[in-house]
Amino acid sequence: DAGVIQSPRHEVTEMGQEVTLRCKPISGHDYLFWYRQTMMRGLELLIYFNNNVPIDDSGMPEDRFSAKMPNASFSTLKIQPSEPRDSAVYFCASRRGQGTNTEAFFGQGTRLTVV
Amino acid sequence: QQPVQSPQAVILREGEDAVINCSSSKALYSVHWYRQKHGEAPVFLMILLKGGEQKGHDKISASFNEKKQQSSLYLTASQLSYSGTYFCGTGRSQGNLIFGKGTKLSVKP
Repeated sequence: DAGVIQSPRHEVTEMGQEVTLRCKPISGHDYLFWYRQTMMRGLELLIYFNNNVPIDDSGMPEDRFSAKMPNASFSTLKIQPSEPRDSAVYFCASRRGQGTNTEAFFGQGTRLTVV
Repeated sequence: QQPVQSPQAVILREGEDAVINCSSSKALYSVHWYRQKHGEAPVFLMILLKGGEQKGHDKISASFNEKKQQSSLYLTASQLSYSGTYFCGTGRSQGNLIFGKGTKLSVKP
C-alpha cells in the first residue's frame, strides 16, 4: 500500500480564496483524522470520521472550515474564505480498528500558506 | 482535551538519557507515542493500552500509569538519529486521538 496520500503538498493562495485539501486513506482503514500543525498549538485534531461518518468536529476552528468523506477512499478539507492565520501544515491520518488500540498512519501533509 | 507534555524541549549529548512526560486531566484508554523529524510526518513509536504496561524497542521505552493518567517515554544512550519532536497522543473510547504540543529533542555529537 502506498500509505496515506495527501494533495497538494504545498499550496499558496491569496486571502479570501477557497482552498481544498485532499486525502486518500490506507485501504481498509475505517478511521480518518484531519490535523493542523503550527508552532504555537502543535498538532490539533480538527475532525475525525469513522466509516465515512463525521464523529467529532469540535476542533474545527470556524464555519469557514468544512470536511467531507464521500466514500471510504477519499476525504476533503475545505477552507472558504481562507485567511493568513490559516497558514499551517495540515495532516491527514488513518487507522484501522475499534477503539484506540491501533497506530495511526500519517500522510506527508499539505503546507498551506495564505498571503 | 490536549495532554500536557514536559519538558517542551531538551538538548542532549550523544549517549545521554532523557525522559519525556505526558499527563492528562481525563481518564486515558491508551497512550500513543510518535516521533516527527523536521519537515516530515509523525511516525508511530508505540502504544500502551493498560495501566502498568511498559514497552520498548531498541533503547526507547515507555510506561503508562493509568491511575495517575500519565505516561513517560525513556530514551537511553541517545543517538543522533533520536533528534526530532516527540508527541504523545491520548485515546478515548470514541476512537479519537489527541496529541500534546510535543517535546523537541536535540541530540548533539
